[in-house]
Amino acid sequence: GDSVTQMEGPVTLSEEAFLTINCTYTATGYPSLFWYVQYPGEGLQLLLKATKADDKGSNKGFEATYRKETTSFHLEKGSVQVSDSAVYFCALSDRGGATNKLIFGTGTLLAVQP
Amino acid sequence: GAVVSQHPSRVICKSGTSVKIECRSLDFQATTMFWYRQFPKQSLMLMATSNEGSKATYEQGVEKDKFLINHASLTLSTLTVTSAHPEDSSFYICSVLGGGKNTEAFFGQGTRLTVV
Repeated sequence: GDSVTQMEGPVTLSEEAFLTINCTYTATGYPSLFWYVQYPGEGLQLLLKATKADDKGSNKGFEATYRKETTSFHLEKGSVQVSDSAVYFCALSDRGGATNKLIFGTGTLLAVQP
Repeated sequence: GAVVSQHPSRVICKSGTSVKIECRSLDFQATTMFWYRQFPKQSLMLMATSNEGSKATYEQGVEKDKFLINHASLTLSTLTVTSAHPEDSSFYICSVLGGGKNTEAFFGQGTRLTVV
């Protein structure tokens, strides 16, 4: 079945460092890909998404490109801030499914130190 | 986007008791809600799809008699963990599917259940 694999955390960075969180997927068909972020005490929020190959999702300085050839959707940010500390989830959905079920990775905890 | 409120955020209960978790869509009428469960260091796993006015659809391996889902109105779905055991301790999250052309999912803040 469909699955998402993302790098284990925690990832600890200093402020202004470059961030990469790897995400690869296995899916039949042509899924949509997402990154969700969960700040402490809050629900998951959509950070960015891409719906087809070579699309680049971006938001709040974060970017991820849908790479069909490598089945990847790595999350990057050029300069992280303390406020970016959160858990990041990579996810996919089967666009053919009527209910838009999401399949998540394990989540990666990012801790940014001042 | 939709605002989703989950209650309680944390609950501790004794083995053998039942616990109800509420998921409310505060500003949007949701015909479909999803319930997820997350074990430590594991993915969020979809447990069931809750449909307003009809029976929930459970994922394979999820006991429907243990995890009772009621979606009685367009703004409220409840998950009741019946006869809870320590292995039911987990993080439970609900989500609401956006309506119309918006297929984005909006999530509650989650409920940490601890069964002692």
